Amino acid sequence: DVKVTQSSRYLVKRTGEKVFLECVQDMDHENMFWYRQDPGLGLRLIYFSYDVKMKEKGDIPEGYSVSREKKERFSLILESASTNQTSMYLCASSRMDGTITFGSGTRLTVV
Amino acid sequence: QKEVEQDPGPLSVPEGAIVSLNCTYSNSAFQYFMWYRQYSRKGPELLMYTYSSGNKEDGRFTAQVDKSSKYISLFIRDSQPSDSATYLCAMSGGDDKIIFGKGTRLHILP
Repeated sequence: DVKVTQSSRYLVKRTGEKVFLECVQDMDHENMFWYRQDPGLGLRLIYFSYDVKMKEKGDIPEGYSVSREKKERFSLILESASTNQTSMYLCASSRMDGTITFGSGTRLTVV
Repeated sequence: QKEVEQDPGPLSVPEGAIVSLNCTYSNSAFQYFMWYRQYSRKGPELLMYTYSSGNKEDGRFTAQVDKSSKYISLFIRDSQPSDSATYLCAMSGGDDKIIFGKGTRLHILP
């Protein structure tokens, strides 16, 4: 069974902390994504990567950065966490036909 | 006009009823159409995938795509309480960019 694994289900961090969200996929997919999901706003794309060491900004990249050093791993970094970054974060990877597989999500609370 | 429009609901139907969920879109370049189901506090999971126009059936689920009307539907027959979830439509033109609807919350009443 194909899998996208996010390292944490729940995180609580303080304002100003640097936060790392890790994601690993075992499907040998080229494309990987980071979304955040908020009530009433749906899924919003933060960053995506179509190859190792490659990254593209999504719709809301401000306050975030990403790292993809290996094909199977895509990390999201909050340089200085703020309360408006409290959200559900979803990692995903996709096949060439566009079907996307999501991880279980990380619910981040910034206090 | 938004690229993808989806009624947020909530939609409440009695157990056993046929459920119809819909999305409209504006970009005629979309070729791949997907439906995801998301249970509370979980990530979305792929339910149905359709390429171009037509119907696709999988058990109690049927996905329909009408490209001429830019309209896609998901039908659930013999709905069960376990079908209660948020359903997201998604579509792509094959260029790695996937556009999601905001999701429809569905409640199946026992």
